[in-house]
Amino acid sequence: QKEVEQNSGPLSVPEGAIASLNCTYSDRGSQSFFWYRQYSGKSPELIMFIYSNGDKEDGRFTAQLNKASQYVSLLIRDSQPSDSATYLCAVNSGGSYIPTFGRGTSLIVHP
Amino acid sequence: ETGVTQSPTHLIKTRGQQVTLRCSSQSGHNTVSWYQQALGQGPQFIFQYYREEENGRGNFPPRFSGLQFPNYSSELNVNALELDDSALYLCASSLETSGRRDTQYFGPGTRLTVL
Repeated sequence: QKEVEQNSGPLSVPEGAIASLNCTYSDRGSQSFFWYRQYSGKSPELIMFIYSNGDKEDGRFTAQLNKASQYVSLLIRDSQPSDSATYLCAVNSGGSYIPTFGRGTSLIVHP
Repeated sequence: ETGVTQSPTHLIKTRGQQVTLRCSSQSGHNTVSWYQQALGQGPQFIFQYYREEENGRGNFPPRFSGLQFPNYSSELNVNALELDDSALYLCASSLETSGRRDTQYFGPGTRLTVL
């Protein structure tokens, strides 16, 4: 069974701080990794995807992938109250195009 | 806005009834996936259609069925509704990028309540 694990939180950080969200996965054959943001009552919104080991930066967001340790993380710099949402990690194993989702981590950015 | 649309937005049904949910994929996308998301959980994969054929199925009973049309829009049908079917149903369409079809963009979802 392919599993994607996330701490459900909530993770609470002050405005302006760096929020660090982590995700581990069980399938070593996984090849694609995604982070989605989901506001309460809304659908998931794709923030970033990463395929290769290392870091990928997009504005205030950085995705980090370590395949040897089977984890992927999302860093949010200069966190804003509008970043308060649930962040979903999704992992796609090689040979399929069907990501497996974690249950999400709730992030609260307080002023 | 992703360009993926779903209808209806909300739906209330009673146990035993049947429901059809609809999804229009983003222009140029040929793959549609359906997910069920219960409160406090991540999306659970139901099935995926690629060029009108079922391309994969999750751990859902046969009373969950689907269809994809030549214009790549899709339907999710659920028969004999149960209380546990109450959830947000998400449709996601995929853009093929560098040979990959796994970058999915979600529609707004349909909130189904079964009483």
